[in-house]
Amino acid sequence: GQQVMQIPQYQHVQEGEDFTTYCNSSTTLSNIQWYKQRPGGHPVFLIQLVKSGEVKKQKRLTFQFGEAKKNSSLHITATQTTDVGTYFCAGPSGSSNTGKLIFGQGTTLQVKP
Amino acid sequence: GAGVSQSPSNKVTEKGKDVELRCDPISGHTALYWYRQSLGQGLEFLIYFQGNSAPDKSGLPSDRFSAERTGGSVSTLTIQRTQQEDSAVYLCASSLAPPTQYFGPGTRLTVL
Repeated sequence: GQQVMQIPQYQHVQEGEDFTTYCNSSTTLSNIQWYKQRPGGHPVFLIQLVKSGEVKKQKRLTFQFGEAKKNSSLHITATQTTDVGTYFCAGPSGSSNTGKLIFGQGTTLQVKP
Repeated sequence: GAGVSQSPSNKVTEKGKDVELRCDPISGHTALYWYRQSLGQGLEFLIYFQGNSAPDKSGLPSDRFSAERTGGSVSTLTIQRTQQEDSAVYLCASSLAPPTQYFGPGTRLTVL
């Protein structure tokens, strides 16, 4: 079946270092979304990418959607302790835009001050 | 309301008992989703309601799990004869239009 995979599963960085998480889908996606879940919290929507090769920035966060629309990445520049959490990518299930999402397993980021 | 709400926030039950988890979506949101998140794991899709259409139940792990949505708003997820492996955080999300989903705080279920 359709799968969305993320690597790495865990990442520990020193505050100020950069961080990247990668998301790969077994199928071509019409769009990809990223969510952040703080420890003890619930997932919060960050962004959606739709176009092939699209790059979007939110302050120190850079999101990229691959040319083939099967992979995506999230890069954080100069991490801060507020970046701690688990980052999930998610893509639509199947070919119809029903809203049903397949989530990756997430990348948990720890930042050492 | 301001966001998706879920109740209870925590539920401890004994193996074999039935439990009901409630979700109040954002007012006006037509789509509602239930997910399960085990400790340190990703989100496992359970069920999806969209308007008056038949729900997508493809993620329900067994026939002990069921959900309904009354009046296109509040939803209840019911787990019958709970098992220890049902212990997890159950998250509800709603959306006005695909694909952005807004999550509630979750219900942490512990089956002893």
